[in-house]
Amino acid sequence: DTEVTQTPKHLVMGMTNKKSLKCEQHMGHRAMYWYKQKAKKPPELMFVYSYEKLSINESVPSRFSPECPNSSLLNLHLHALQPEDSALYLCASSQRPNYGYTFGSGTRLTVV
Amino acid sequence: QKEVEQNSGPLSVPEGAIASLNCTYSDRGSQSFFWYRQYSGKSPELIMFIYSNGDKEDGRFTAQLNKASQYVSLLIRDSQPSDSATYLCAVRPSGGSNYKLTFGKGTLLTVNP
Repeated sequence: DTEVTQTPKHLVMGMTNKKSLKCEQHMGHRAMYWYKQKAKKPPELMFVYSYEKLSINESVPSRFSPECPNSSLLNLHLHALQPEDSALYLCASSQRPNYGYTFGSGTRLTVV
Repeated sequence: QKEVEQNSGPLSVPEGAIASLNCTYSDRGSQSFFWYRQYSGKSPELIMFIYSNGDKEDGRFTAQLNKASQYVSLLIRDSQPSDSATYLCAVRPSGGSNYKLTFGKGTLLTVNP
């Protein structure tokens, strides 16, 4: 298995909703990431988990809450989002620091 | 601020030509360099990585690294219309967490049949 699987692929949520994005990999990678990408912009790092511990939080608003239940799973809990949070949310994993990332197919989020 | 700069394009080449994509970076201590291809509406896909000065070839793709000039490039030989995509340069900067990549804004490549 050489994939990073993200669900759902599309999500529309209201500003008062609570939802979660899910990411799963079975490659034995010990680092997992959440990125946010707006149209025609590069991916922006949000969070990094290394060995299931949060190692980087790029000053992300608290309405985004990451969780790493085990070495294969990464969640992003969403609450009280704003329309400007609408974007493609990408999960990625990597085997070691010097290795490139494998990205999932992303969740396209629309906040209404 | 550690920066990665790319020409946003669009870069337009005819089918069969060589496409040359360029990237410069500001952090002289950067160790690892990556090229990702991203089709419109899709996620980035790693196509090349390079750590040492010089050239690295993989099929039609060649990555070139010159650390003294802080410059990394991607050559695509025999360009095909299916190569039309945005190409993102990513750099692992020195210091801080080794897991973090800094992405350039990407170069849009169009290969015309």
